[in-house]
Amino acid sequence: DQQVKQNSPSLSVQEGRISILNCDYTNSMFDYFLWYKKYPAEGPTFLISISSIKDKNEDGRFTVFLNKSAKHLSLHIVPSQPGDSAVYFCAASVRGRARQLTFGSGTQLTVLP
Amino acid sequence: DGGITQSPKYLFRKEGQNVTLSCEQNLNHDAMYWYRQDPGQGLRLIYYSQIVNDFQKGDIAEGYSVSREKKESFPLTVTSAQKNPTAFYLCASNQGSSQPQHFGDGTRLSIL
Repeated sequence: DQQVKQNSPSLSVQEGRISILNCDYTNSMFDYFLWYKKYPAEGPTFLISISSIKDKNEDGRFTVFLNKSAKHLSLHIVPSQPGDSAVYFCAASVRGRARQLTFGSGTQLTVLP
Repeated sequence: DGGITQSPKYLFRKEGQNVTLSCEQNLNHDAMYWYRQDPGQGLRLIYYSQIVNDFQKGDIAEGYSVSREKKESFPLTVTSAQKNPTAFYLCASNQGSSQPQHFGDGTRLSIL
């Protein structure tokens, strides 16, 4: 039973345009969400997080939106750059078990020059 | 500079052999984690440790063992009981339940 789902295995966008990566979850106990970026043969790198008390968090070109009623979060990258090409994972955790992350299966983002 | 070091980067195991993957961190983090990644899948938690001399099973602990004798070290042993050990193994650490986990660069384990 996948509690965190990334239904798009891949996404291609043009350089300079917006990239939108989506993530759905089923466990209503999740209250902390993160996005990680991963290059081949490297470990994931933390990008941005959001607590369930917020519906938006912004850090430079990266913005995460949380819709608790829909159990959906998204990562917006504006403007997209070729160096953003990587696999993006969303992850979620439960308060009290906040140190245990449940990951989605990832979305491969390709930014075309 | 601070970080998480995993070694070796590539590891080969013979049938029936135990192998140990190293993970060292100099971030002074209390908590450490081991994940496994298979192609096309997300990361799955094997074991985690919140403090020295204590560790807990994750979602897929069968066939694996760990120890946490020092704060900075959290080695993972893949035993012969793990029937499908070929995967990319990632170690992570963090400090505080609201802090993101930071990852090493992984060890790729293959079966000869």
